Amino acid sequence: KNEVEQSPQNLTAQEGEFITINCSYSVGISALHWLQQHPGGGIVSLFMLSSGKKKHGRLIATINIQEKHSSLHITASHPRDSAVYICAVSNSNSGYALNFGKGTSLLVTP
Amino acid sequence: SQTIHQWPATLVQPVGSPLSLECTVEGTSNPNLYWYRQAAGRGLQLLFYSVGIGQISSEVPQNLSASRPQDRQFILSSKKLLLSDSGFYLCASDRGFHEKLFFGSGTQLSVL
Repeated sequence: KNEVEQSPQNLTAQEGEFITINCSYSVGISALHWLQQHPGGGIVSLFMLSSGKKKHGRLIATINIQEKHSSLHITASHPRDSAVYICAVSNSNSGYALNFGKGTSLLVTP
Repeated sequence: SQTIHQWPATLVQPVGSPLSLECTVEGTSNPNLYWYRQAAGRGLQLLFYSVGIGQISSEVPQNLSASRPQDRQFILSSKKLLLSDSGFYLCASDRGFHEKLFFGSGTQLSVL
């Protein structure tokens, strides 16, 4: 099983700050997902990547396959970014099962 | 893009009662469908997935079952709920392995 570790577990930032959330995994993967879960529970897929870097608005996701590490960055953070951010990985051996991290709870204060 | 309808949003059931959670998908055909559970303080866990009508695979042994009677309908069931079945249940879909995942809004199940 692929162990997925996220850090930090909890993060509080002031509006406008640059935020980084980290994800490390133990076994080589074929894809990594970053998900956002809002207080109501609904989950939105932010990124799926297998190499390099992706950007969408103020969000940037990077992955280093050799180091088995990914980061999610939020630039110019805003209170509406407050949510739980979840990292999940898949590999060809795990079939359809994603292995999920426990999430990073982010609170952005005005 | 895909839209997933999942209901009910919250459910309180006594131990030993049956369960039926329904999920329907719009905006795609022949999706892969998934049921995930999120227990308090724990990460998401895949319970079942389906790659087509009538095709169900279970990832963990449990008190639950799943069925896919139509292409875009996925049902999670139990004949007798246990306390340990409490949790947040999410339906998800994608167009293929390594494709973007879409999630429903979830059902918070409390078994008392």
